[in-house]
Amino acid sequence: AQRVTQPEKLLSVFKGAPVELKCNYSYSGSPELFWYVQYSRQRLQLLLRHISRESIKGFTADLNKGETSFHLKKPFAQEEDSAMYYCALPKSEKLVFGKGTKLTVNP
Amino acid sequence: DVKVTQSSRYLVKRTGEKVFLECVQDMDHENMFWYRQDPGLGLRLIYFSYDVKMKEKGDIPEGYSVSREKKERFSLILESASTNQTSMYLCASSLHSTGNEQFFGPGTRLTVL
Repeated sequence: AQRVTQPEKLLSVFKGAPVELKCNYSYSGSPELFWYVQYSRQRLQLLLRHISRESIKGFTADLNKGETSFHLKKPFAQEEDSAMYYCALPKSEKLVFGKGTKLTVNP
Repeated sequence: DVKVTQSSRYLVKRTGEKVFLECVQDMDHENMFWYRQDPGLGLRLIYFSYDVKMKEKGDIPEGYSVSREKKERFSLILESASTNQTSMYLCASSLHSTGNEQFFGPGTRLTVL
C-alpha cells in the first residue's frame, strides 16, 4: 500500500542554519512526489514536485529510490520558512499525505 | 490563477445539527476533494468526486456525505454533527489525471458544541 511517513512532527532551527525535513514513502514503481506547504493563515499550496526538479524558495528535494526518501532541504533557513510542510504521493487521482512537519525558524 | 473558495472560514454548530460546507472552483477541474486537517493526523481524505454526480469514499467517510450537482461545486454534509467532527475542513480541486497538482481552498474551521 502507498504510504508516506514524515518522522518529525516538529522541527526547530535557527535562522541561517541548514534544514532538512524528512519524508519516506512506500511505493512499488517510480513515484511522483510532492511537497506542499501551509504558511500561517494561508492556504495549503504546492511547494515543489519531484518531476520538475526545480528549486523553489531555496528548497530542493531529491528522490532517493534506494532509501525510498524525498527529503526537503534548504541550506540557510529563513524566518519566513516557518510553516507546516506535507509530503505527498499520488494514488490514482488522489494524493496520500504524510502527517506533516511543523517547521519553526527562530531568529 | 486557480481559485477555490469555501463558503465559511469559521462555523459554530450544535451537536445533532445538519451542517453544509460548500466549495466552489473556477478552473473547470474534474476532480474535487474534501479533507479534514487535524494536528498530528495530517490531511485525511473524506470524499473525492471525479465528475458531476460521481463520488468515491475516502479514508474517513463515516458521518459525512457529499453532493456534486454541478462541476464547479462540491458540498460536504454532516448529517448529524458531533463534537468529534470539530476540525479544519479543506476543499481541493485538480485536473483529471494521476499526479496532478491539487489546489486548495482557505479552509473552514468547524466547531461543534
